[in-house]
Amino acid sequence: AQSVAQPEDQVNVAEGNPLTVKCTYSVSGNPYLFWYVQYPNRGLQFLLKYITGDNLVKGSYGFEAEFNKSQTSFHLKKPSALVSDSALYFCAVRDHQAGTALIFGKGTTLSVSS
Amino acid sequence: SAVISQKPSRDICQRGTSLTIQCQVDSQVTMMFWYRQQPGQSLTLIATANQGSEATYESGFVIDKFPISRPNLTFSTLTVSNMSPEDSSIYLCSTRHGAGGATEAFFGQGTRLTVV
Repeated sequence: AQSVAQPEDQVNVAEGNPLTVKCTYSVSGNPYLFWYVQYPNRGLQFLLKYITGDNLVKGSYGFEAEFNKSQTSFHLKKPSALVSDSALYFCAVRDHQAGTALIFGKGTTLSVSS
Repeated sequence: SAVISQKPSRDICQRGTSLTIQCQVDSQVTMMFWYRQQPGQSLTLIATANQGSEATYESGFVIDKFPISRPNLTFSTLTVSNMSPEDSSIYLCSTRHGAGGATEAFFGQGTRLTVV
């Protein structure tokens, strides 16, 4: 069965500092991996995805994520955090071989202080 | 991308009643998905709705409680039936273009349901 783990309920960083939001996954085959962001009272917005190829994926708003197959991880990163990055972040996975809907982690709240 | 309009955006309902949530996509799509996001929780898939076939429900969700319609390639509804306070959640519809697994999903704004 597919699953996603986000080990941190909340991540706190100061503006201008680098941020990392962690995600690990479990699938039976090769994964498609995604990051979404949810601002208060709004739907989910797509940030980036890993399909194949280069392990470092760049996405919207300066975010990037690194796929690590040996550690089954797909951590979200940004070199310099902004207060406006404060939101709820979800990691999601879809197995190449099975299923068509995304399976989501429980989410991590990112709080960036000024 | 796809633009998804979902309504109502929020509602407060009495227990025992039913609420139908509508989801309109600005283009034709094969698959539509309905998720539930309980307070402080992640998104849980309720069902997959393909046009021309019965919806496929995930474990723990049944058609009598969450009937779904998919009359055409741009529209779907989810009904939350015989509501109880435990049904208070955000309900989101989602879709994606193409059948391949590499495509990202798009989401409606969500319906925030409170059952009193």
